[in-house]
Amino acid sequence: DTGVSQNPRHKITKRGQNVTFRCDPISEHNRLYWYRQTLGQGPEFLTYFQNEAQLEKSRLLSDRFSAERPKGSFSTLEIQRTEQGDSAMYLCASSPRTVETDTQYFGPGTRLTVL
Amino acid sequence: AQKITQTQPGMFVQEKEAVTLDCTYDTSDPSYGLFWYKQPSSGEMIFLIYQGSYDQQNATEGRYSLNFQKARKSANLVISASQLGDSAMYFCAMGARGAKNDMRFGAGTRLTVKP
Repeated sequence: DTGVSQNPRHKITKRGQNVTFRCDPISEHNRLYWYRQTLGQGPEFLTYFQNEAQLEKSRLLSDRFSAERPKGSFSTLEIQRTEQGDSAMYLCASSPRTVETDTQYFGPGTRLTVL
Repeated sequence: AQKITQTQPGMFVQEKEAVTLDCTYDTSDPSYGLFWYKQPSSGEMIFLIYQGSYDQQNATEGRYSLNFQKARKSANLVISASQLGDSAMYFCAMGARGAKNDMRFGAGTRLTVKP
């Protein structure tokens, strides 16, 4: 399977704890995106990388959130001092950044529950 | 600012019949792409179809076709010969071409296919 993978698939944590999620994009894709999806809503953009450079961050990405893609391959999303409002599905996507289209292919997501 | 509107929270269709899911959008970008994704209960976002703003013909992918009406800013998804496995959430999304690519999603439509 050469699709986007995310780990863990589920994470339950207590308020105030730090959590880290990992995303492995499709190998030849140089763009990687993070989204957050709450119940009953569409995904909301958080940030994206082109290779190792983080090119844009949404206002949704508070100071407690940080994302990295150190070698331009996999990426991590860390949430520090989690709050109950952080409970959501965190989706990762990658795209090949061709001229014609930037179709994004999504991973299965990490569902975070903050107690 | 970009905005995507899906006005149908839920839709029902009889197996083997066709169904249209509505999507309207608003953008000031001259060049953009429109996407439809399917999200089954498992949570993964599955890419279905893409339409570029300068494409002359409506996009088709198997049983999926996109009814693109640029002047009306609508990009409706048509699913022909519905199958039980089509039951899922469907999201319309838009991304601007060029350097920025923070794709915006609508709130989604839940499609239920009846046997």
